[in-house]
Order: sequence, then C-alpha cells, then structure tokens
Amino acid sequence: DIQMTQSPSSLSASVGDRVTITCRASQRISNYLNWYQQKPGKAPKLLIYAASSVQSGVPSRFTGSGSGTEFTLTISSLQPEDFATYYCQQCYSTSITFGGGTKVDIK
Amino acid sequence: QVQLQESGPGLVKPSQNLSLTCTVSGGSISSVGYYWSWIRQHPGKGLEYIAYMSSSGSTYYNPSLKTRVAISVDTSENQFSLKLTSVTAADTAVYYCAGLQGSGNFHWFDPWGQGTLVTVSS
Repeated sequence: DIQMTQSPSSLSASVGDRVTITCRASQRISNYLNWYQQKPGKAPKLLIYAASSVQSGVPSRFTGSGSGTEFTLTISSLQPEDFATYYCQQCYSTSITFGGGTKVDIK
Repeated sequence: QVQLQESGPGLVKPSQNLSLTCTVSGGSISSVGYYWSWIRQHPGKGLEYIAYMSSSGSTYYNPSLKTRVAISVDTSENQFSLKLTSVTAADTAVYYCAGLQGSGNFHWFDPWGQGTLVTVSS
C-alpha cells in the first residue's frame, strides 16, 4: 500500500492566519491526491481533488498544490468555520489510502 | 443531487457478522457512474477505506480486510451493502458509505452518508 504521511498532526492557529498542511506519499503518485475537511461528528467533505482543483462551493481561501510525493493544502486566511481535521487521500493505487489527519484548532 | 444514508444495527456481538445498507437517493445507482464505497473511522482515529464496487460488478477490497468483507449492489432497491464477518472489538467504528466518482484515473469520495456508529460488544 502507498503510505500517506501528514504533518503536522495538529496545529494551533488564530483567525486570519495562513495555514499550510503537508502530505507526503511513500511513492510517486503524480497528482492523484485529494483533500477533505472533517468536523466533529460529521462526515468528511471534499475540498480539493487532483491535487489542485477546488471542489465547487469550497471557498477560494483553500488551495492545493504539489505533485509526485509532496503536496500541500493551504488556507490563506483561517476563518472560524475552518477549525477541523484535514485528511489527504491518494487515488493513484486502487488500494486507496488516507493520511493520518491534521487537526487545526484555535490558538 | 445524490444523497446517501446508512442503516443497520448499532451493536453487534463479537464473532457475529456486521451488515450495513446504504440507500441512494437523488439518482439511479446503476446510472450515476460512481463506485459505491464503504469507509470506516475508528473512534478518534483516521479514515480507512474498506471496499468499493461499480454497479457493473467490479470490486476492490482493502487487502487488510479482504478475507472478511463483501460488498454488493442492489439496483432494484437503489441500495448497496456491506458485510463484515467475524467481527471483534477492533471493528468498532463509524461506518460511512460514499460515492467514489471522478474521471479517468482520478477518483474522489463525494458524496458521503452521515455515518453510523457500530459497536462490537457482548
């Protein structure tokens, strides 16, 4: 299986901060990488697909970048509703795997 | 738009089988073009894909669960199902059904059901 490693596992930030989350794949996966946001007690929500394509309805402050083995999710100006856990997921392999998650909480 | 809703028992005894159903609304399971998927999340942990299946029958299973899992699609009921055999406490999790969609080799999970907590306990 392709291992997906996210860093950091958690971070504290303030409203208005720029936040960057990194996801690394154990082998090259081109841009077969998606990002999700999950709030407590809720199902994950798709934010970014194909590494950099923003899902319809997702605010423009969310951007994704990267290719190969290293990817980033950036929130340009953190808003109160953005405090959540974020997961990356590879679809390069039919054996889909997720990263361990990055929890973003309030500083 | 397609919406998904899980149903099934919230409590299963160890060594028994877990069966869940996902009802699809807002579209036909056989024509939407998704892979129909199950994903689980252990309490306080990350996400784990279990299996996915096309309406035409192509199936993919997580290698770590493959020997205990079966996924099926019922086009007449617009539902798909998960069966996990010989459960243990380690199978206690929130189980989500989801549509796996995309183009070419790009696939992403959207939409998702709300999730259902299954506890394995005697």
